Amino acid sequence: NAGVTQTPKFRILKIGQSMTLQCAQDMNHNYMYWYRQDPGMGLKLIYYSVGAGITDKGEVPNGYNVSRSTTEDFPLRLELAAPSQTSVYFCASSYSRDSYNEQFFGPGTRLTVL
Amino acid sequence: AQSVAQPEDQVNVAEGNPLTVKCTYSVSGNPYLFWYVQYPNRGLQFLLKYITGDNLVKGSYGFEAEFNKSQTSFHLKKPSALVSDSALYFCAVRGDTGNQFYFGTGTSLTVIP
Repeated sequence: NAGVTQTPKFRILKIGQSMTLQCAQDMNHNYMYWYRQDPGMGLKLIYYSVGAGITDKGEVPNGYNVSRSTTEDFPLRLELAAPSQTSVYFCASSYSRDSYNEQFFGPGTRLTVL
Repeated sequence: AQSVAQPEDQVNVAEGNPLTVKCTYSVSGNPYLFWYVQYPNRGLQFLLKYITGDNLVKGSYGFEAEFNKSQTSFHLKKPSALVSDSALYFCAVRGDTGNQFYFGTGTSLTVIP
């Protein structure tokens, strides 16, 4: 199993550009999550999905969009990049709705918006 | 509201000494508690979790954590620190209802040779 994979590893965007951060998992997990990590701020939840076709907002959804057309993939879209979106983005997945299942994290995407 | 607090941004400990990384939580209902470790330029890795039962939970790499319901704490411990334990540690909580995990702000552990 590759686990949770994310592409790209690094990206520099200009203000106003758009991009999609890719996330895929091969563990047949129903739940998937997108977080951003800023220094000293821990992880903030952007969006999550409880299954294909179902997504919901987290704590900091503004400026982002997601879709979940398959169990495996959960891309994160930035439509109009802003400097405030400079961050490290992590995708994660977990097996089921049971609260005791831990999350598996991808290696992250480091995004800089200039 | 559900939340996690890690009161120490930085913990320094000498190699071979015991280490403790602190975590307190607030959650509705029964708490499910997790510890994750993050090495530089890597994603978070699961260390251990508390679901129910024995208050002392053992996890990967010799780490353990003690659940204390009355103090709403879940401190991470290791009897003898290694230099390779130097990393960023995150505590997380999830209630028995709801879909979200709530993470602390992280504690940077440095083990000094």
